[in-house]
Amino acid sequence: AQKITQTQPGMFVQEKEAVTLDCTYDTSDQSYGLFWYKQPSSGEMIFLIYQGSYDEQNATEGRYSLNFQKARKSANLVISASQLGDSAMYFCAMREGMFSGGYNKLIFGAGTRLAVHP
Amino acid sequence: SAVISQKPSRDICQRGTSLTIQCQVDSQVTMMFWYRQQPGQSLTLIATANQGSEATYESGFVIDKFPISRPNLTFSTLTVSNMSPEDSSIYLCSVMTGFDTEAFFGQGTRLTVV
Repeated sequence: AQKITQTQPGMFVQEKEAVTLDCTYDTSDQSYGLFWYKQPSSGEMIFLIYQGSYDEQNATEGRYSLNFQKARKSANLVISASQLGDSAMYFCAMREGMFSGGYNKLIFGAGTRLAVHP
Repeated sequence: SAVISQKPSRDICQRGTSLTIQCQVDSQVTMMFWYRQQPGQSLTLIATANQGSEATYESGFVIDKFPISRPNLTFSTLTVSNMSPEDSSIYLCSVMTGFDTEAFFGQGTRLTVV
């Protein structure tokens, strides 16, 4: 069963506008973590933001914020004031099994390719 | 945090040969992870490399094809054996330094099999 779902293969946004990248997840663990990574064409994986399942506040990191809706099992990434350099692939990932003796590994969604237009 | 050095950064290999990818971390970590990213695809976990024990492989990946070594807490290697063009991918090593922290990634190895 797919655990991380990113339904938007590609997204376009005008420079300086905000964009939301969708991510839904499926887990039976009570304790888990959600991550967003950016992968530019160079291939490196750049960490953007993290949300723990017990965190009551939505995570924010500069222009990035995570809209965490636990009951709906969604963890959407919001990028405010988009810049041309934001054009990249964006991956949502989940870590589960933190206290259940699991491997602490990350499971990734299919990704969303974001294009920022001037 | 952790800084990961991964070598080689890219390689072009003949089918039927093997390539060993090295991953060096600047601090001691318990678990290291190896991922494969096929062209245009997401990251798929190959295996978890634990120091002092056999690697744990995910479904669809076997030790004969992807042998892993983990001789100490800062180093690991992944070998892609008997390569075919279908093995052309980016291979990435990753570590997590704690339960509630980000995963750090190496720069990746872009492998092309011809």
